[in-house]
Amino acid sequence: GAGVSQSPRYKVAKRGQDVALRCDPISGHVSLFWYQQALGQGPEFLTYFQNEAQLDKSGLPSDRFFAERPEGSVSTLKIQRTQQEDSAVYLCASSTGLTGSGANVLTFGAGSRLTVL
Amino acid sequence: KQEVTQIPAALSVPEGENLVLNCSFTDSAIYNLQWFRQDPGKGLTSLLLIQSSQREQTSGRLNASLDKSSGRSTLYIAASQPGDSATYLCAVLNYGQNFVFGPGTRLSVLP
Repeated sequence: GAGVSQSPRYKVAKRGQDVALRCDPISGHVSLFWYQQALGQGPEFLTYFQNEAQLDKSGLPSDRFFAERPEGSVSTLKIQRTQQEDSAVYLCASSTGLTGSGANVLTFGAGSRLTVL
Repeated sequence: KQEVTQIPAALSVPEGENLVLNCSFTDSAIYNLQWFRQDPGKGLTSLLLIQSSQREQTSGRLNASLDKSSGRSTLYIAASQPGDSATYLCAVLNYGQNFVFGPGTRLSVLP
């Protein structure tokens, strides 16, 4: 596609519910990132994929958070048993993944805003 | 652990002024540095990318510089316009392939 597409744009969940957020990156982009952005703050890294391999998940805040990219394209971020502190905008970004060249332009989706009541 | 800070946190200027936004990072082992713009309720738009081997990049009224050894970057906006009002974020790409963001500078350009 022409850009990074995220769905849903808005999600309201009751505390304890499971949610799934989808990211459709730019076609052919090898690298995919998930970020969490709280109100008034910069994005915080969650996890990173290169193709289908999850190379870094050090930013996932707890074992309730799980991300996958089984075919190396679309990715899903799943949050189990949501808590109020999970309320944030979840941003997905992709890049060509030309590691070593330094020429990685990061393209972001519009984000999924999660509100946990 | 890489830490990125931005100064000032917020800035309000009259239309037409030239302005400078600052970004500092603690670990100079980076591949590149990117400046982004974020409008309220929207995703991030890439403005400029400076590779670690470069000193600056220019796009229209925007100029970004990078001093990797001192861990600093500046974004210069010339002849500011009300449409420039947004939050500006810088991010560095670590050797670990993780982008680390600063908290952003909220810019308001008054007509």
